[in-house]
Amino acid sequence: GAVVSQHPSRVICKSGTSVKIECRSLDFQATTMFWYRQFPKQSLMLMATSNEGSKATYEQGVEKDKFLINHASLTLSTLTVTSAHPEDSSFYICSARALGNSNTEAFFGQGTRLTVV
Amino acid sequence: LAKTTQPISMDSYEGQEVNITCSHNNIATNDYITWYQQFPSQGPRFIIQGYKTKVTNEVASLFIPADRKSSTLSLPRVSLSDTAVYYCLVLVSGSARQLTFGSGTQLTVLP
Repeated sequence: GAVVSQHPSRVICKSGTSVKIECRSLDFQATTMFWYRQFPKQSLMLMATSNEGSKATYEQGVEKDKFLINHASLTLSTLTVTSAHPEDSSFYICSARALGNSNTEAFFGQGTRLTVV
Repeated sequence: LAKTTQPISMDSYEGQEVNITCSHNNIATNDYITWYQQFPSQGPRFIIQGYKTKVTNEVASLFIPADRKSSTLSLPRVSLSDTAVYYCLVLVSGSARQLTFGSGTQLTVLP
């Protein structure tokens, strides 16, 4: 099946610094990618929808200036957590659906565990 | 977006068949039913998708009644490695809309 790759899988950063997470679709093109956040013992919560060549659409309550999303190509979207704080520590997951297919599942990256100290 | 409701948790023993039911009362005509599996610290993994009646693949079966207001994921002869959270979602075919996750069902397989 299609593969979505996230990098890094795990990152520890100091409070106040920024962290960039990459999401790549390895063998298909994705006009749209999605970013989720998951806290321990909770479900995935959609943060934003990343659209290639245009601005991302953020869910209510998600700060667009804090979580910068760039979708520069049909195979790459990045999420930058700016001025990270300990409360931003979480599991971040991206997903993508293939272009043009009438009935396909979404593919998920392996996730990025962010710890802010 | 159609909301889904699943049991929060289920326990089973190795070798048993496990059935997890999901209700989606306001499913739309164009919605498909999809199930994902998630292990700790990993992204969700696609298990199976269906529109109506029964779908079977190498890992699971999906049963969907005629009214499509519910669905049942059936895992035959579970093993310890099937311990995971299972999510039921509905999504529109051919749409790039996001997937909205419910609470999922924590399945624990006991020896």
